[in-house]
Amino acid sequence: KQEVTQIPAALSVPEGENLVLNCSFTDSAIYNLQWFRQDPGKGLTSLLLIQSSQREQTSGRLNASLDKSSGRSTLYIAASQPGDSATYLCAVATGANSKLTFGKGITLSVRP
Amino acid sequence: GAVVSQHPSRVICKSGTSVKIECRSLDFQATTMFWYRQFPKKSLMLMATSNEGSKATYEQGVEKDKFLINHASLTLSTLTVTSAHPEDSSFYICSASDTGESNQPQHFGDGTRLSIL
Repeated sequence: KQEVTQIPAALSVPEGENLVLNCSFTDSAIYNLQWFRQDPGKGLTSLLLIQSSQREQTSGRLNASLDKSSGRSTLYIAASQPGDSATYLCAVATGANSKLTFGKGITLSVRP
Repeated sequence: GAVVSQHPSRVICKSGTSVKIECRSLDFQATTMFWYRQFPKKSLMLMATSNEGSKATYEQGVEKDKFLINHASLTLSTLTVTSAHPEDSSFYICSASDTGESNQPQHFGDGTRLSIL
Protein backbone atom coordinates (compact mmCIF):
# COMPACT_ATOMS: atom_id res chain seq x y z
CA LYS A 1 0.00 0.00 0.00
CA GLN A 2 1.37 3.38 -1.03
CA GLU A 3 2.03 5.83 1.78
CA VAL A 4 2.97 9.47 1.29
CA THR A 5 4.68 11.45 4.04
CA GLN A 6 5.24 15.17 4.32
CA ILE A 7 7.39 16.49 7.15
CA PRO A 8 7.22 18.90 8.88
CA ALA A 9 3.50 19.48 9.18
CA ALA A 10 3.99 23.23 9.46
CA LEU A 11 6.64 25.75 8.51
CA SER A 12 7.03 29.48 9.13
CA VAL A 13 9.56 31.57 7.23
CA PRO A 14 10.26 35.30 6.71
CA GLU A 15 9.33 36.87 3.41
CA GLY A 16 11.98 36.56 0.70
CA GLU A 17 13.43 33.29 1.92
CA ASN A 18 13.94 30.38 -0.46
CA LEU A 19 12.48 27.18 0.91
CA VAL A 20 12.14 23.49 0.20
CA LEU A 21 9.14 21.31 1.01
CA ASN A 22 9.74 17.58 1.19
CA CYS A 23 7.60 14.61 0.20
CA SER A 24 8.41 10.92 0.45
CA PHE A 25 6.55 7.85 -0.79
CA THR A 26 6.98 4.17 -0.06
CA ASP A 27 6.27 2.54 -3.44
CA SER A 28 8.49 3.79 -6.26
CA ALA A 29 6.20 2.32 -8.95
CA ILE A 30 4.42 5.59 -9.57
CA TYR A 31 2.92 7.03 -12.73
CA ASN A 32 3.29 10.64 -11.76
CA LEU A 33 3.56 12.94 -8.77
CA GLN A 34 1.60 16.12 -8.33
CA TRP A 35 2.00 19.09 -6.01
CA PHE A 36 -1.10 21.03 -4.97
CA ARG A 37 -1.86 24.16 -3.04
CA GLN A 38 -4.87 24.40 -0.75
CA ASP A 39 -6.08 27.63 0.83
CA PRO A 40 -8.22 27.39 4.00
CA GLY A 41 -11.71 26.10 3.26
CA LYS A 42 -10.97 25.80 -0.43
CA GLY A 43 -10.33 23.09 -2.98
CA LEU A 44 -6.97 22.14 -4.45
CA THR A 45 -5.01 24.02 -7.08
CA SER A 46 -2.60 21.95 -9.15
CA LEU A 47 0.88 23.49 -9.10
CA LEU A 48 3.16 21.03 -10.87
CA LEU A 49 2.92 17.54 -12.33
CA ILE A 50 6.02 15.40 -12.76
CA GLN A 51 5.81 12.25 -14.85
CA SER A 52 7.67 9.19 -13.59
CA SER A 53 10.20 9.57 -16.42
CA GLN A 54 10.97 13.19 -15.52
CA ARG A 55 13.36 14.60 -12.95
CA GLU A 56 11.89 18.06 -12.46
CA GLN A 57 9.31 20.60 -13.52
CA THR A 58 9.35 24.38 -13.19
CA SER A 59 6.63 27.00 -13.10
CA GLY A 60 7.57 30.55 -12.21
CA ARG A 61 9.10 30.60 -8.74
CA LEU A 62 8.27 26.94 -8.19
CA ASN A 63 10.47 23.98 -9.01
CA ALA A 64 9.58 20.39 -8.23
CA SER A 65 12.03 17.52 -8.40
CA LEU A 66 11.48 13.79 -8.40
CA ASP A 67 13.83 10.99 -7.38
CA LYS A 68 11.70 7.95 -7.98
CA SER A 69 14.28 5.39 -6.91
CA SER A 70 14.61 6.92 -3.47
CA GLY A 71 10.92 7.75 -3.19
CA ARG A 72 11.36 11.48 -2.77
CA SER A 73 10.16 14.73 -4.23
CA THR A 74 10.85 18.32 -3.25
CA LEU A 75 9.02 21.54 -4.01
CA TYR A 76 11.34 24.53 -4.11
CA ILE A 77 9.80 27.97 -3.66
CA ALA A 78 12.05 30.89 -4.54
CA ALA A 79 11.76 34.32 -2.94
CA SER A 80 8.75 33.42 -0.82
CA GLN A 81 5.91 35.92 -0.45
CA PRO A 82 3.08 36.24 2.11
CA GLY A 83 0.70 35.19 -0.67
CA ASP A 84 2.44 31.82 -0.75
CA SER A 85 0.98 31.05 2.68
CA ALA A 86 -1.17 27.95 2.24
CA THR A 87 -1.10 24.18 2.70
CA TYR A 88 0.97 22.32 0.13
CA LEU A 89 0.01 18.73 -0.64
CA CYS A 90 1.97 16.10 -2.45
CA ALA A 91 0.14 13.23 -4.18
CA VAL A 92 1.24 10.22 -6.22
CA ALA A 93 -0.64 8.31 -8.90
CA THR A 94 -0.03 4.64 -9.51
CA GLY A 95 -1.51 4.52 -13.01
CA ALA A 96 -2.82 6.63 -15.89
CA ASN A 97 -5.92 8.54 -14.82
CA SER A 98 -5.54 6.76 -11.51
CA LYS A 99 -6.55 7.68 -8.02
CA LEU A 100 -4.13 9.77 -6.03
CA THR A 101 -2.59 8.99 -2.66
CA PHE A 102 -2.06 12.19 -0.69
CA GLY A 103 0.29 13.26 2.04
CA LYS A 104 -1.13 15.23 4.96
CA GLY A 105 0.31 18.45 3.64
CA ILE A 106 2.66 21.13 4.92
CA THR A 107 1.09 24.34 6.16
CA LEU A 108 3.36 27.20 5.13
CA SER A 109 3.25 30.63 6.69
CA VAL A 110 5.33 33.40 5.11
CA ARG A 111 5.76 36.32 7.50
CA PRO A 112 5.87 39.85 6.04
CA GLY B 1 -7.10 25.60 -18.30
CA ALA B 2 -9.31 22.74 -17.19
CA VAL B 3 -11.97 23.75 -14.70
CA VAL B 4 -13.97 21.58 -12.35
CA SER B 5 -17.05 23.15 -10.82
CA GLN B 6 -18.48 21.79 -7.58
CA HIS B 7 -21.85 22.81 -6.17
CA PRO B 8 -22.98 23.70 -3.58
CA SER B 9 -20.00 25.13 -1.74
CA ARG B 10 -21.66 24.86 1.64
CA VAL B 11 -24.62 22.96 3.06
CA ILE B 12 -26.10 23.14 6.52
CA CYS B 13 -29.01 20.83 7.18
CA LYS B 14 -30.81 18.76 9.77
CA SER B 15 -29.96 15.18 10.61
CA GLY B 16 -31.80 12.73 8.37
CA THR B 17 -31.68 14.94 5.29
CA SER B 18 -30.21 13.65 2.02
CA VAL B 19 -27.76 15.99 0.35
CA LYS B 20 -26.67 15.97 -3.31
CA ILE B 21 -23.34 17.41 -4.42
CA GLU B 22 -22.58 18.02 -8.08
CA CYS B 23 -19.21 17.90 -9.80
CA ARG B 24 -18.91 19.20 -13.36
CA SER B 25 -16.01 19.37 -15.77
CA LEU B 26 -16.65 22.64 -17.59
CA ASP B 27 -14.35 22.52 -20.59
CA PHE B 28 -13.32 18.90 -20.92
CA GLN B 29 -14.76 15.42 -20.76
CA ALA B 30 -14.02 13.03 -17.92
CA THR B 31 -14.91 9.34 -18.01
CA THR B 32 -13.57 9.07 -14.48
CA MET B 33 -14.06 11.40 -11.55
CA PHE B 34 -12.97 10.93 -7.98
CA TRP B 35 -14.67 11.83 -4.70
CA TYR B 36 -12.60 12.65 -1.63
CA ARG B 37 -13.37 13.48 1.95
CA GLN B 38 -11.16 15.66 4.11
CA PHE B 39 -11.22 15.92 7.90
CA PRO B 40 -9.68 18.90 9.71
CA LYS B 41 -5.89 18.80 9.59
CA LYS B 42 -6.01 15.49 7.76
CA SER B 43 -5.17 14.46 4.25
CA LEU B 44 -7.70 13.81 1.53
CA MET B 45 -9.13 10.32 1.71
CA LEU B 46 -10.43 8.79 -1.48
CA MET B 47 -14.01 7.65 -1.07
CA ALA B 48 -14.86 6.33 -4.52
CA THR B 49 -14.06 6.40 -8.20
CA SER B 50 -16.96 7.51 -10.35
CA ASN B 51 -17.12 5.86 -13.78
CA GLU B 52 -19.25 7.27 -16.58
CA GLY B 53 -22.00 4.87 -17.54
CA SER B 54 -21.16 2.25 -14.92
CA LYS B 55 -21.14 1.65 -11.20
CA ALA B 56 -18.78 3.54 -8.96
CA THR B 57 -15.88 1.79 -7.28
CA TYR B 58 -15.84 2.38 -3.53
CA GLU B 59 -12.83 2.30 -1.26
CA GLN B 60 -12.74 -0.08 1.66
CA GLY B 61 -14.84 1.11 4.56
CA VAL B 62 -17.01 3.47 2.51
CA GLU B 63 -20.71 2.58 2.57
CA LYS B 64 -22.05 2.56 -0.96
CA ASP B 65 -25.65 2.81 0.23
CA LYS B 66 -24.75 5.84 2.29
CA PHE B 67 -22.80 7.66 -0.39
CA LEU B 68 -24.60 7.23 -3.70
CA ILE B 69 -22.64 8.17 -6.81
CA ASN B 70 -24.08 8.75 -10.26
CA HIS B 71 -21.97 9.57 -13.33
CA ALA B 72 -24.55 9.83 -16.08
CA SER B 73 -22.57 11.97 -18.51
CA LEU B 74 -18.97 12.75 -19.40
CA THR B 75 -19.15 16.07 -17.61
CA LEU B 76 -21.21 15.41 -14.49
CA SER B 77 -20.88 13.22 -11.43
CA THR B 78 -23.08 13.52 -8.34
CA LEU B 79 -22.54 12.36 -4.78
CA THR B 80 -25.62 11.97 -2.60
CA VAL B 81 -25.16 11.62 1.14
CA THR B 82 -28.29 9.77 2.17
CA SER B 83 -29.94 10.30 5.55
CA ALA B 84 -27.00 12.39 6.69
CA HIS B 85 -25.98 12.42 10.35
CA PRO B 86 -23.57 14.66 12.29
CA GLU B 87 -20.70 12.22 11.74
CA ASP B 88 -21.05 12.81 7.99
CA SER B 89 -20.10 16.46 8.48
CA SER B 90 -16.93 17.02 6.51
CA PHE B 91 -15.33 18.67 3.50
CA TYR B 92 -16.06 16.78 0.27
CA ILE B 93 -14.00 17.39 -2.87
CA CYS B 94 -14.23 15.97 -6.36
CA SER B 95 -11.57 15.76 -9.06
CA ALA B 96 -11.30 14.87 -12.73
CA SER B 97 -8.78 14.77 -15.54
CA ASP B 98 -9.23 15.22 -19.27
CA THR B 99 -10.12 11.87 -20.81
CA GLY B 100 -8.89 12.94 -24.23
CA GLU B 101 -5.38 13.77 -23.08
CA SER B 102 -2.78 11.47 -21.60
CA ASN B 103 -0.68 12.24 -18.57
CA GLN B 104 -2.89 15.08 -17.44
CA PRO B 105 -3.06 16.38 -13.88
CA GLN B 106 -6.10 15.91 -11.71
CA HIS B 107 -8.17 19.08 -11.42
CA PHE B 108 -10.17 19.65 -8.29
CA GLY B 109 -13.41 21.40 -7.49
CA ASP B 110 -13.57 23.99 -4.73
CA GLY B 111 -15.13 21.51 -2.34
CA THR B 112 -18.38 21.33 -0.40
CA ARG B 113 -18.50 21.98 3.33
CA LEU B 114 -21.26 19.79 4.75
CA SER B 115 -22.53 20.49 8.24
CA ILE B 116 -25.23 18.25 9.71
CA LEU B 117 -26.99 19.60 12.78
